[in-house]
Amino acid sequence: GAGVSQSPSNKVTEKGKDVELRCDPISGHTALYWYRQSLGQGLEFLIYFQGNSAPDKSGLPSDRFSAERTGGSVSTLTIQRTQQEDSAVYLCASSLGRGARPQHFGDGTRLSIL
Amino acid sequence: GDSVTQMEGPVTLSEEAFLTINCTYTATGYPSLFWYVQYPGEGLQLLLKATKADDKGSNKGFEATYRKETTSFHLEKGSVQVSDSAVYFCALRGDAGNMLTFGGGTRLMVKP
Repeated sequence: GAGVSQSPSNKVTEKGKDVELRCDPISGHTALYWYRQSLGQGLEFLIYFQGNSAPDKSGLPSDRFSAERTGGSVSTLTIQRTQQEDSAVYLCASSLGRGARPQHFGDGTRLSIL
Repeated sequence: GDSVTQMEGPVTLSEEAFLTINCTYTATGYPSLFWYVQYPGEGLQLLLKATKADDKGSNKGFEATYRKETTSFHLEKGSVQVSDSAVYFCALRGDAGNMLTFGGGTRLMVKP
């Protein structure tokens, strides 16, 4: 497709389990971002990848959160030992590099921790 | 750090009414400013942007002007439609960073 693709669209899991969320950015976009949208915190930045540079992890809320981007394209966000406060919609975005170029968002993965 | 403040909703208007959603920001340097819209059941979509002072972004009848003197980027539309019902997010991208900093979002409800 032409847009940012995220999977799964919904994920329900038990507290303490690990989860993996996937993002396929728009072809040719070198920059990829993860954000989290939750009722209490609004939209928060998590992590940013740009080409082959080291990622900006400054938004990750704890060391249970990690992300990788293989081959400069697909990215996976992993949450280990999930907690109920991790329940949120996880959004991925991509853009044509840095600066004022707009970020294009996927539809998100709604994560619910029981 | 950077921050964005926008008016809390919900904002309820009748069709064809004038819309203003206020947005102010705090940032060093010269950030780029954006409005994103999230329609019910859909993802975030870029509505408009402005990259320097006095720029006016516009799209689908919506406008916003980058006012550096008041650090504001208010969203306006002259005549809203029911189909404009959505949540609107003001955001900035600072000089130093690459990520977006978002306001809390404003829900707009337009009644026929």
